[in-house]
Amino acid sequence: DQQVKQNSPSLSVQEGRISILNCDYTNSMFDYFLWYKKYPAEGPTFLISISSIKDKNEDGRFTVFLNKSAKHLSLHIVPSQPGDSAVYFCAASTYGQNFVFGPGTRLSVLP
Amino acid sequence: DSGVTQTPKHLITATGQRVTLRCSPRSGDLSVYWYQQSLDQGLQFLIQYYNGEERAKGNILERFSAQQFPDLHSELNLSSLELGDSALYFCASSVREGVLSGHNNEQFFGPGTRLTVL
Repeated sequence: DQQVKQNSPSLSVQEGRISILNCDYTNSMFDYFLWYKKYPAEGPTFLISISSIKDKNEDGRFTVFLNKSAKHLSLHIVPSQPGDSAVYFCAASTYGQNFVFGPGTRLSVLP
Repeated sequence: DSGVTQTPKHLITATGQRVTLRCSPRSGDLSVYWYQQSLDQGLQFLIQYYNGEERAKGNILERFSAQQFPDLHSELNLSSLELGDSALYFCASSVREGVLSGHNNEQFFGPGTRLTVL
């Protein structure tokens, strides 16, 4: 049973446009959500996070939105750049433990 | 550079063998997490240690075990290896000394160990 789902295995976006990566979860006990970016042959790198008491967190070009009632979060990247091409993982945790990762979405930003 | 180191980078072994993967967390981080990433799959949480004690357990097989030593480095032991154990194994750390453990801690990942079982 997948508690964190990323239903789009891949996404292609034109450079300069918005990238929207989606994530759904089933466990209502999750209280902290994170996005990680992973380049080939490297470990995942933390990108941005959001606590369940918020519905939006912004850091530069990256914004994460949380809809608790829908158990859905999304990562917006504006504007998208070729260097953003990577696999993006959504992760969730309960009180900082038992981190559960989604299967990832491969983003390709086309020049 | 995340500050988390993992050795070895690559490991090739045969079925039935036993291997040990090593992880050194970021300086001062007390928590170590182990993950397995099989081909084209997401990260599967295996186990977490905090300051030497097992804190949480995920989908870790009985053939696998881990420990965290007093100097906070951790080892993941994989025994009776099977072809399906071939994967990338990541270690991550979080929680610096002096910071309350638990909430709102992102993890910093090492570069991974690629295990190939032939």
